Amino acid sequence: DAGITQSPRHKVTETGTPVTLRCHQTENHRYMYWYRQDPGHGLRLIHYSYGVKDTDKGEVSDGYSVSRSKTEDFLLTLESATSSQTSVYFCAIRGSGTGGPDEQYFGPGTRLTVT
Amino acid sequence: LAKTTQPISMDSYEGQEVNITCSHNNIATNDYITWYQQFPSQGPRFIIQGYKTKVTNEVASLFIPADRKSSTLSLPRVSLSDTAVYYCLVGSYNTDKLIFGTGTRLQVFP
Repeated sequence: DAGITQSPRHKVTETGTPVTLRCHQTENHRYMYWYRQDPGHGLRLIHYSYGVKDTDKGEVSDGYSVSRSKTEDFLLTLESATSSQTSVYFCAIRGSGTGGPDEQYFGPGTRLTVT
Repeated sequence: LAKTTQPISMDSYEGQEVNITCSHNNIATNDYITWYQQFPSQGPRFIIQGYKTKVTNEVASLFIPADRKSSTLSLPRVSLSDTAVYYCLVGSYNTDKLIFGTGTRLQVFP
């Protein structure tokens, strides 16, 4: 398995509370992604990073911010959590290659519940 | 970014061949087609990738017609363990924003 971990794995928080999820990789991959997954919606891209301090928005970025101060860590922050952000969050990493996009490796996921 | 369209769900029985089609009408010249498989409570994992014609590995085959506006993932002789959600996405090595569609939920029955 690719060296990618997520923390915490489970979290319950209250509405209005700030929350930070961490994705850590040991592969030195350039690309890192945050997705959320809800029943009936598949995987939706929140934010992604293509290098240290290089990030951009995905499909559903409202209410989320990210930071990548070093290659191995990509942080996802919910500034003020809402119940609509209850979801499973997956981090993914991907190298740089040629031809098609390199295989994405996904972390184990973080189950976040906002009450 | 090429948008992909897949059937929401499919049913099959053990031992049958399953073909899942993905439409990507706006695929760009440099884009490849990649398929992922996801089991419950796990992140997706890579199955196969191709650019044109046919690609085969130990798990699946990928058929891409000449116009590349669609692709078909073929799973030979499925088993119960193939019950999962299958996603296709398109992009090239320099596509930063990789977006998954809603996927196809495959249910295999005994």
